Amino acid sequence: DAGVIQSPRHEVTEMGQEVTLRCKPISGHDYLFWYRQTMMRGLELLIYFNNNVPIDDSGMPEDRFSAKMPNASFSTLKIQPSEPRDSAVYFCASSYDGPYGYTFGSGTRLTVV
Amino acid sequence: AQSVTQLDSQVPVFEEAPVELRCNYSSSVSVYLFWYVQYPNQGLQLLLKYLSGSTLVKGINGFEAEFNKSQTSFHLRKPSVHISDTAEYFCAVSDPRGAQKLVFGQGTRLTINP
Repeated sequence: DAGVIQSPRHEVTEMGQEVTLRCKPISGHDYLFWYRQTMMRGLELLIYFNNNVPIDDSGMPEDRFSAKMPNASFSTLKIQPSEPRDSAVYFCASSYDGPYGYTFGSGTRLTVV
Repeated sequence: AQSVTQLDSQVPVFEEAPVELRCNYSSSVSVYLFWYVQYPNQGLQLLLKYLSGSTLVKGINGFEAEFNKSQTSFHLRKPSVHISDTAEYFCAVSDPRGAQKLVFGQGTRLTINP
């Protein structure tokens, strides 16, 4: 298996632009998570899905952030409009149902200028 | 609500020396515990996990951790570190009733000096 695949690896955009981050989970995994990592706040859970349904989005910072999972093999995290404080590394992770731990993708480093 | 405290933000050690990275958790229920490692510019990888049973858990790359319920700790240890162990290490906790949602600590940066 190729693991959790995220794209792009790096994204530089101007303030106010729309940004879309993409994730392909491991085939057969029931859960998908989006995390944000910054120096100041560490790893923050933004949202997670179970069988393509959003379960907990309480970590989504504000209405500018949205996430979708249209099918079991694809998820997006969208920021519109983007702001400099959104600069961070965004990780996607997936897992089976149960305490197996997550498999993380390599992350997308977002820089908003 | 659960929380995790990693007591040291940075730990410098010399190569071949032993190391302990400390993790304490707070929870009113039983927990599952995990350690992850993040190498530069990479995602997190699972090192080891404690679900139940033996309190000493062995993981990859020679690491082990000990669950101590009375002290609510899950410290990570390695008897002899290598330069390649330089990375950030994260402790995480989950509630068995909702095991999929992990709460992570702030991380400990382990730096190995030659």
